[in-house]
Amino acid sequence: RKEVEQDPGPFNVPEGATVAFNCTYSNSASQSFFWYRQDCRKEPKLLMSVYSSGNEDGRFTAQLNRASQYISLLIRDSKLSDSATYLCVVISWSASKIIFGSGTRLSIRP
Amino acid sequence: DTGVSQDPRHKITKRGQNVTFRCDPISEHNRLYWYRQTLGQGPEFLTYFQNEAQLEKSRLLSDRFSAERPKGSFSTLEIQRTEQGDSAMYLCASSLEGEPYEQYFGPGTRLTVT
Repeated sequence: RKEVEQDPGPFNVPEGATVAFNCTYSNSASQSFFWYRQDCRKEPKLLMSVYSSGNEDGRFTAQLNRASQYISLLIRDSKLSDSATYLCVVISWSASKIIFGSGTRLSIRP
Repeated sequence: DTGVSQDPRHKITKRGQNVTFRCDPISEHNRLYWYRQTLGQGPEFLTYFQNEAQLEKSRLLSDRFSAERPKGSFSTLEIQRTEQGDSAMYLCASSLEGEPYEQYFGPGTRLTVT
């Protein structure tokens, strides 16, 4: 079993829809969590840090569920420009482990 | 532009040659990270520095790979005796020391080993 798992997708949703992704992790000692987006042949760009209390940035909401060991990303009112691969990152600083998921591909159709 | 920069952006080399990549982090960031990414996969952690100290090196990193950050500013990643399996995008990122350790990536160096 991979230490960090994401559904590879692709998720193909219409513009304006709400879409959610999960990212599960196996190391219960993990301490820091992030979501990145990556466009084709570009570098990953930080989307959001994920906090225990959850956080929201405009149309994007990230949640952390420590009990079930997953993080989630919710995108509301999706735009064509949201089409990208979404990567989760799980970090255990005590073990110096930084692990990216393989990414979830999202395609927004007009 | 005060983001992370990497040089070169592309490198084509023959198997067996040595290559060196450079990364310049965001100026106030004292943590610097190296990753490797292949098609369809997320970035794979290689190593990271806090200032000039190399704090962690992935077990996946063979002895042919070495990284330095001699003055705590820019970093170099060297691959000796390249193999075709080394072909990948090599990404550098930097962050501040301290929560939440948000990493910002450079554009990457795409290595092709022929």
